[in-house]
Amino acid sequence: AQSVTQPDIHITVSEGASLELRCNYSYGATPYLFWYVQSPGQGLQLLLKYFSGDTLVQGIKGFEAEFKRSQSSFNLRKPSVHWSDAAEYFCAVGAGLTGANNLFFGTGTRLTVIP
Amino acid sequence: DTEVTQTPKHLVMGMTNKKSLKCEQHMGHRAMYWYKQKAKKPPELMFVYSYEKLSINESVPSRFSPECPNSSLLNLHLHALQPEDSALYLCASSLIQDQPQHFGDGTRLSIL
Repeated sequence: AQSVTQPDIHITVSEGASLELRCNYSYGATPYLFWYVQSPGQGLQLLLKYFSGDTLVQGIKGFEAEFKRSQSSFNLRKPSVHWSDAAEYFCAVGAGLTGANNLFFGTGTRLTVIP
Repeated sequence: DTEVTQTPKHLVMGMTNKKSLKCEQHMGHRAMYWYKQKAKKPPELMFVYSYEKLSINESVPSRFSPECPNSSLLNLHLHALQPEDSALYLCASSLIQDQPQHFGDGTRLSIL
């Protein structure tokens, strides 16, 4: 069965500092992996996705993530955090016949940015 | 701005009321989804429609009734809900094959 673990419930970083949010997945085949961000009272916005190919993927808002099969990880990174990045971040794995159409979400990591 | 539009944004209803949530997209997506999200929790899949046919029902109670009248529109009919059904209800859509889901901003539902 597929599952996603985000070990950090809450992370606080200073504005301008670098950021890494951890995500580990469990899935028998090659996974489809996603990072979504959710601001309070809003829906989820796709930051980036990995389906195949280059294991370092670039997303919107300056985010990137690296797929490491050997570690079953898909960590999200940003070199310099902005105050507007404060939000909830969800890692998700897509499963099933069509991959992206059956998403399993991690429990989320809440990011606080301090000035 | 989201390309998936959900109405209403907020809904307060009593346990005996009947109401509907509406979701609309005009991106030509042929898969549409309903999720339920409780506070500080990830979204939980409720239903998936593929080419206007229900393909996944995650054992959702019958007081939630989905409907997909056409490829652009997805409804969730609500009847006799319980207080524990209070949550953010998110709609999403995607192309059928291996494309990510796009989410609306949700309807925040409160059951009195």
